[in-house]
Amino acid sequence: NAGVTQTPKFRVLKTGQSMTLLCAQDMNHEYMYWYRQDPGMGLRLIHYSVGEGTTAKGEVPDGYNVSRLKKQNFLLGLESAAPSQTSVYFCASSHKTGGGYTFGSGTRLTVV
Amino acid sequence: GENVEQHPSTLSVQEGDSAVIKCTYSDSASNYFPWYKQELGKGPQLIIDIRSNVGEKKDQRIAVTLNKTAKHFSLHITETQPEDSAVYFCAALGAAGNKLTFGGGTRVLVKP
Repeated sequence: NAGVTQTPKFRVLKTGQSMTLLCAQDMNHEYMYWYRQDPGMGLRLIHYSVGEGTTAKGEVPDGYNVSRLKKQNFLLGLESAAPSQTSVYFCASSHKTGGGYTFGSGTRLTVV
Repeated sequence: GENVEQHPSTLSVQEGDSAVIKCTYSDSASNYFPWYKQELGKGPQLIIDIRSNVGEKKDQRIAVTLNKTAKHFSLHITETQPEDSAVYFCAALGAAGNKLTFGGGTRVLVKP
């Protein structure tokens, strides 16, 4: 039972490049989330999904897109990376009945 | 929407002493309050949680208390040990039940 797996763990992008971060969970959770965490700051919600085929905006959605084509996967895309998107990205999932999140180990992204 | 305030932002204690972190929330309909511990370079991990129909919950050296009337909840760590050093986040689940709102985090340092 792997829980929540994020790939890649580290990535360096040049300004303007695009990339996709992958989150996979094997707990049959209905809800999935993408957060970013900047130094000295808490967790800020980017986008989330309450089920396959559905997505919704969080607190800081600009510059990001997401897709949830399969229940177990939640993809976060950066179409044109900017230095302001340098951050650590965490994916999380939870049951729809309400309860705590299970977090992945994070993706450290640097945009130069 | 929900707003969660967390204090203090940093906390330094001597090994063996107690540590207390306090959070307040704004949405009286919130009904679930988890606490997460984040160690350096890792994703947040759920350490304890409490639902709105309970006033206190304990798990070995950690406990959480909830005051629904005042809309605040607290994490208590007794007999602190160096391995308790980490960033701790509180959170609240709103009435919609589909996403947590996190506090800003507390960096706890336990000095040997």
